[in-house]
Amino acid sequence: AQSVTQLGSHVSVSEGALVLLRCNYSSSVPPYLFWYVQYPNQGLQLLLKYTSAATLVKGINGFEAEFKKSETSFHLTKPSAHMSDAAEYFCAVGLSGNTPLVFGKGTRLSVIA
Amino acid sequence: DAGVIQSPRHEVTEMGQEVTLRCKPISGHNSLFWYRQTMMRGLELLIYFNNNVPIDDSGMPEDRFSAKMPNASFSTLKIQPSEPRDSAVYFCASSSGTSVAGELFFGEGSRLTVL
Repeated sequence: AQSVTQLGSHVSVSEGALVLLRCNYSSSVPPYLFWYVQYPNQGLQLLLKYTSAATLVKGINGFEAEFKKSETSFHLTKPSAHMSDAAEYFCAVGLSGNTPLVFGKGTRLSVIA
Repeated sequence: DAGVIQSPRHEVTEMGQEVTLRCKPISGHNSLFWYRQTMMRGLELLIYFNNNVPIDDSGMPEDRFSAKMPNASFSTLKIQPSEPRDSAVYFCASSSGTSVAGELFFGEGSRLTVL
């Protein structure tokens, strides 16, 4: 069965600094990988997804993630943090077929002025 | 498209009362999911449907919880009787395609408070 581990339940960065949110997965077959963002009092919305095309995936709001099969990782990065990036970020893994996405526990990103 | 629509957005009720949460998925989507989010447990999958048929309800916490999908455009999650520990944000999500592991589209959630 697949699983997702997000390292760090809370990450704090200064405005303008690099954002790095870590996600590792376990899967017996090549997975689909997703990053979702949840702003306060809202539902989750898709940031980006990997579906076996390019290993470097660009998403909305300047975020990107790189699929590294050898490391079973799909870390989320952004070169320069904005105050508006403060939110909860969820990594999710899926396989084809009848098993739903498995979500990580989430990482809360704080951006300090 | 209007997206996934959930109602009510906020519900405050007293212990023992029946609660019904509603969801309208995106038109054309054939899978629907109910999640519960709390600070302690994070995001939990309660139940999901494919083509209106419940596929897996192993995440439903107790018999007090039930979910139905009478047609492709409507689903309900019912709690009867409600308890304070049911207080949470309940999300509905839908997806399209032949796999239930595809991209999910979430509603804004229903925040339930049971006093």
